[in-house]
Amino acid sequence: GAVVSQHPSRVICKSGTSVKIECRSLDFQATTMFWYRQFPKQSLMLMATSNEGSKATYEQGVEKDKFLINHASLTLSTLTVTSAHPEDSSFYICSARTHPYGYTFGSGTRLTVV
Amino acid sequence: GQNIDQPTEMTATEGAIVQINCTYQTSGFNGLFWYQQHAGEAPTFLSYNVLDGLEEKGRFSSFLSRSKGYSYLLLKELQMKDSASYLCAVRKDSNYQLIWGAGTKLIIKP
Repeated sequence: GAVVSQHPSRVICKSGTSVKIECRSLDFQATTMFWYRQFPKQSLMLMATSNEGSKATYEQGVEKDKFLINHASLTLSTLTVTSAHPEDSSFYICSARTHPYGYTFGSGTRLTVV
Repeated sequence: GQNIDQPTEMTATEGAIVQINCTYQTSGFNGLFWYQQHAGEAPTFLSYNVLDGLEEKGRFSSFLSRSKGYSYLLLKELQMKDSASYLCAVRKDSNYQLIWGAGTKLIIKP
């Protein structure tokens, strides 16, 4: 079946630094990638939707200059958290749309900003 | 607005049956999904309903009534490994974005 590989699984960074999270579709072409964040005991919150070759569409309240999304190829989408702060600590998950109607999730990235 | 409601937490006994309900109010409807999520892990797909009725897949079944804006996930022969959060999500339209419920934490007791 369709697999999305997400790396890193865990990352600890210092406040003010940037962190890049990668999601690769291993055996299919991901034309659309969704990026979510999830706080403890809460549901998934959609941050942005990216389509290959075009700019990402961000949800209301999500800073596009802080959360940079690049979807330059059909198999790779990246999320860069710039100038990270402790409040950015969260679980970040990518999800690719797979035909005919499903979605495949990456394994998630636990970001801790200290 | 968009709204998806699920119970916050449920408890059931190993070997028993449990039904997790989900009600939704959305401006459009193009399918309802159920996902299982263990703590610290990504969600995994359980079921998809787009037409009214029951979809059965092994120990798990999912039901949809579009006129009532209602779905349930039925888990039979519960096992300890079924302890997880169960997320209901609705796809509104062709942009393929999902609207997520807050999830139901299911606790299985021996």
